[in-house]
Amino acid sequence: GDSVTQMEGPVTLSEEAFLTINCTYTATGYPSLFWYVQYPGEGLQLLLKATKADDKGSNKGFEATYRKETTSFHLEKGSVQVSDSAVYFCALIRTDSWGKFQFGAGTQVVVTP
Amino acid sequence: SAVISQKPSRDICQRGTSLTIQCQVDSQVTMMFWYRQQPGQSLTLIATANQGSEATYESGFVIDKFPISRPNLTFSTLTVSNMSPEDSSIYLCSVEEGGGQGYRTEAFFGQGTRLTVV
Repeated sequence: GDSVTQMEGPVTLSEEAFLTINCTYTATGYPSLFWYVQYPGEGLQLLLKATKADDKGSNKGFEATYRKETTSFHLEKGSVQVSDSAVYFCALIRTDSWGKFQFGAGTQVVVTP
Repeated sequence: SAVISQKPSRDICQRGTSLTIQCQVDSQVTMMFWYRQQPGQSLTLIATANQGSEATYESGFVIDKFPISRPNLTFSTLTVSNMSPEDSSIYLCSVEEGGGQGYRTEAFFGQGTRLTVV
């Protein structure tokens, strides 16, 4: 079945450090890939997405590139802020699978001043 | 983009009781989804709720424990029945917007209901 594997947290960084959260997936066909963010006490918000190979999703300084050859969708940000402290979820959905998102376990990121 | 309101936002319940969670969407949607997020865990899909038909449950979830209603295209409820401490989780309602050519666009989530069973 489909699965998403992302690096375990927590990841603790200093402000302005470089952030990478690895995400790899297993799925048949050509899934769409997503990164969702969950700030403390809030619901999930879409951070970025990519719908086909080599697409790059970007938002709020975060980027991720859909790499079909390595089945990966790693999240990166060049300079994190304290406000980026949150839990980040990698997710996929197949085009034939309405609404059935497959989420990774989530990675907690803690950014210290 | 869809705006989803869930209530209650949190509750503390006694074991053996039931809680009904409401989900209201600001637009008509065909399918609504209910997820569970156990403490420190990822999201797990409980069921898909279509208007006018019974919900479709994922493996490990049954209607007797998690009855769902979907009376119209903008509203759904999830009931957590005969609760035990193991049911303590965040429950999230979700809808999806589909793009053209079979591409999924994104899922929208409510803010979640944080349930604690004591």
